[in-house]
Amino acid sequence: ETGVTQSPTHLIKTRGQQVTLRCSSQSGHNTVSWYQQALGQGPQFIFQYYREEENGRGNFPPRFSGLQFPNYSSELNVNALELDDSALYLCASSLDRDDWQFFGPGTRLTVL
Amino acid sequence: QKEVEQNSGPLSVPEGAIASLNCTYSDRGSQSFFWYRQYSGKSPELIMFIYSNGDKEDGRFTAQLNKASQYVSLLIRDSQPSDSATYLCAVDRGGADGLTFGKGTHLIIQP
Repeated sequence: ETGVTQSPTHLIKTRGQQVTLRCSSQSGHNTVSWYQQALGQGPQFIFQYYREEENGRGNFPPRFSGLQFPNYSSELNVNALELDDSALYLCASSLDRDDWQFFGPGTRLTVL
Repeated sequence: QKEVEQNSGPLSVPEGAIASLNCTYSDRGSQSFFWYRQYSGKSPELIMFIYSNGDKEDGRFTAQLNKASQYVSLLIRDSQPSDSATYLCAVDRGGADGLTFGKGTHLIIQP
């Protein structure tokens, strides 16, 4: 166990809806990164938060947004859900921006 | 565009043999290299990292890096059925780009 937790475990939404996924980082870690993993693919970087600021972003549209709170927990918000958003969403926590990343258990999102 | 390539497999190896997993990357600015293990339905687990050319050993695992050839490999000695999983290669160029992953190699250890 990495000490990184995510909620919910599973989620089913319909196209056009909005969703919020949550992540609690490992104790002492100030950086959270979010990844999307489609079936049969490797994880793809969505964005990273460091000390409550977005520190970098991958090739995802603006309807993917996030927050990091003072306790370094984080949220991923996705608006106007599309069928292709169905995936495993992974949160990774690290001690600092360029440190090793440890993944939480993930949230499985299904969009119908 | 940064790319990480892995043979998707499945790679089938007899129990007790050496499993060899390979990865190539396109970004010469990559600085850190990682191997994650992912069991079916679970999240990736960090098992090895390497920063410098050469070999790095940790128990039954050896990571090898050749920056000139842009090549990373993972050797698993004395393979066990519990090693059966998908192995993801990831690279990091530092900065704020996150990790770039390959699609993973599905490894099957045959008892």
